[in-house]
Amino acid sequence: DGGITQSPKYLFRKEGQNVTLSCEQNLNHDAMYWYRQDPGQGLRLIYYSQIVNDFQKGDIAEGYSVSREKKESFPLTVTSAQKNPTAFYLCASSMDRDNYGYTFGSGTRLTVV
Amino acid sequence: AQKVTQAQTEISVVEKEDVTLDCVYETRDTTYYLFWYKQPPSGELVFLIRRNSFDEQNEISGRYSWNFQKSTSSFNFTITASQVVDSAVYFCALSEFNYGGATNKLIFGTGTLLAVQP
Repeated sequence: DGGITQSPKYLFRKEGQNVTLSCEQNLNHDAMYWYRQDPGQGLRLIYYSQIVNDFQKGDIAEGYSVSREKKESFPLTVTSAQKNPTAFYLCASSMDRDNYGYTFGSGTRLTVV
Repeated sequence: AQKVTQAQTEISVVEKEDVTLDCVYETRDTTYYLFWYKQPPSGELVFLIRRNSFDEQNEISGRYSWNFQKSTSSFNFTITASQVVDSAVYFCALSEFNYGGATNKLIFGTGTLLAVQP
């Protein structure tokens, strides 16, 4: 079955550590996205990528980094520069330039301890 | 600026009641798309509907119906005879058509938490 796989489902990080969230899709979608969800704030765009080896900052990119070395993969690194990283992170993908919306992964809940 | 407003933060109903979730949007574009997603407790967002700005017909899918009114920039979602399984967070989203061919980013509202009590 085609879909998006995010791993791990739960992640704990110590302050000052970098951590990488995985996102893999087998839908042959061109575009991929990372969103952050906080209570009462909806979904905010962190980074997105339209094609391999290219990505753009979203609305809240500070403290995050991404790579897109393969079409299927779009990992997100939460760096120590992100001051408030505890949140629910959602990865999504779509066919580029269409308007059929996104397919979402099941999310990763990151907690800083 | 593009914006989606879901003024209802939380709604609680008793099973079998009808409930309407409100969505108001702002956009400068004449061509755009509107979406509703459901987020159950498991966390994954599930696509419910897409509507383009040229199609103002209301749509019904089983117990779900959507009322799109361009005159008031609203795209409201009604669940008829609600069930406990409808309990979730519901997001309304807007996608503007990008004439440059770039990726069509979705702009989300803050969501409405619907609790259906048995």
